[in-house]
Amino acid sequence: ETGVTQTPRHLVMGMTNKKSLKCEQHLGHNAMYWYKQSAKKPLELMFVYNFKEQTENNSVPSRFSPECPNSSHLFLHLHTLQPEDSALYLCASSQDWGTSGYEQYFGPGTRLTVT
Amino acid sequence: GQNIDQPTEMTATEGAIVQINCTYQTSGFNGLFWYQQHAGEAPTFLSYNVLDGLEEKGRFSSFLSRSKGYSYLLLKELQMKDSASYLCAVSDSNYQLIWGAGTKLIIKP
Repeated sequence: ETGVTQTPRHLVMGMTNKKSLKCEQHLGHNAMYWYKQSAKKPLELMFVYNFKEQTENNSVPSRFSPECPNSSHLFLHLHTLQPEDSALYLCASSQDWGTSGYEQYFGPGTRLTVT
Repeated sequence: GQNIDQPTEMTATEGAIVQINCTYQTSGFNGLFWYQQHAGEAPTFLSYNVLDGLEEKGRFSSFLSRSKGYSYLLLKELQMKDSASYLCAVSDSNYQLIWGAGTKLIIKP
């Protein structure tokens, strides 16, 4: 148990559906992240929020829309996804962003399959 | 571009020692992390190096040479539960983590 929870753990959706992924951290951290993990590929950073403000958006398609209502919760809204978006989506948090040395704590991930 | 290289897969025997290498080329350097990820689970933090040298933490040690763009993770007295993927990540000049694809370590009895 890392102190970061994600729901749902598994999600199957059609290309025309709209769904949301939820992440919650119980560590009192200020920074939260969304990553995409595909088989045999490096983790891809999607979005970073620091003190609820988005600080990084790594050229992610607009069909992925993040939301951070407070420093403990992070959402990833999904719509009109493509089959290549099927992957493990990981949420992480750290004490801060923009400072070296703070390790990230990861949630268990949501395994997303787009049909 | 930025690049992290580590072997795709390694096999070792229970009770033995294994060294997992990581080489990197990044724009700036603010430290190197090692994470462990068991199949179907979240990555968990193992170590952080920002200065050259060896950091020891129980059965696991991590080494860094900034001039060579090189790090390794050393696992001693291997146990079956050490079977996992080991991820190397470098914090670049913008403090963004650049990740390797991971090394899958298989432990045999």
